[in-house]
Amino acid sequence: SQTIHQWPATLVQPVGSPLSLECTVEGTSNPNLYWYRQAAGRGLQLLFYSVGIGQISSEVPQNLSASRPQDRQFILSSKKLLLSDSGFYLCAWNTWGTVNTGELFFGEGSRLTVL
Amino acid sequence: AQKVTQAQTEISVVEKEDVTLDCVYETRDTTYYLFWYKQPPSGELVFLIRRNSFDEQNEISGRYSWNFQKSTSSFNFTITASQVVDSAVYFCALSEAWGNQFYFGTGTSLTVIP
Repeated sequence: SQTIHQWPATLVQPVGSPLSLECTVEGTSNPNLYWYRQAAGRGLQLLFYSVGIGQISSEVPQNLSASRPQDRQFILSSKKLLLSDSGFYLCAWNTWGTVNTGELFFGEGSRLTVL
Repeated sequence: AQKVTQAQTEISVVEKEDVTLDCVYETRDTTYYLFWYKQPPSGELVFLIRRNSFDEQNEISGRYSWNFQKSTSSFNFTITASQVVDSAVYFCALSEAWGNQFYFGTGTSLTVIP
């Protein structure tokens, strides 16, 4: 069965510090991978998505970046965090085929507080 | 442009009551998919159901049922005999077929009071 795992679950970082959130998927090949952010107020904002290794599409200009070094690994990074980067970050995956038809499967989430 | 509207921000019901969560969508695509997700207090979004634009058949899964009506661009979600464990934020979402863009509504927070 397919699983998705992201970490760390919670982190508190000072302004200007770096960030690295990691997400891995098991049990599927060549998934589409996504990073979403959920700020207070519940709205889900797509940050990045990737359709393959090294292929990253950015949806929102910001000081965050994403990388996909392996087929089932997706990393969200920042060199210098801002207060506005605080939020709940969700990694997700999907495929379009006969078994899965596009539905997103989400990780447990990473709650980031920037002080 | 694609858009999903969940007009109900918060709903409170007493346990065992039925509750319907509304979802209205906008799209110019003829082929699209609709989804419902549940976000319990733990935070993880849990996939509940997918519907494609060619399948208007309503679906029932236990206490959950979904009513898809293309004529009104709605995909409503009903919980029958609600339970405290149903308390969560529920999101409706729209996607074009084979696309990477998912349009989420702003969510409806459901509180079931024991």
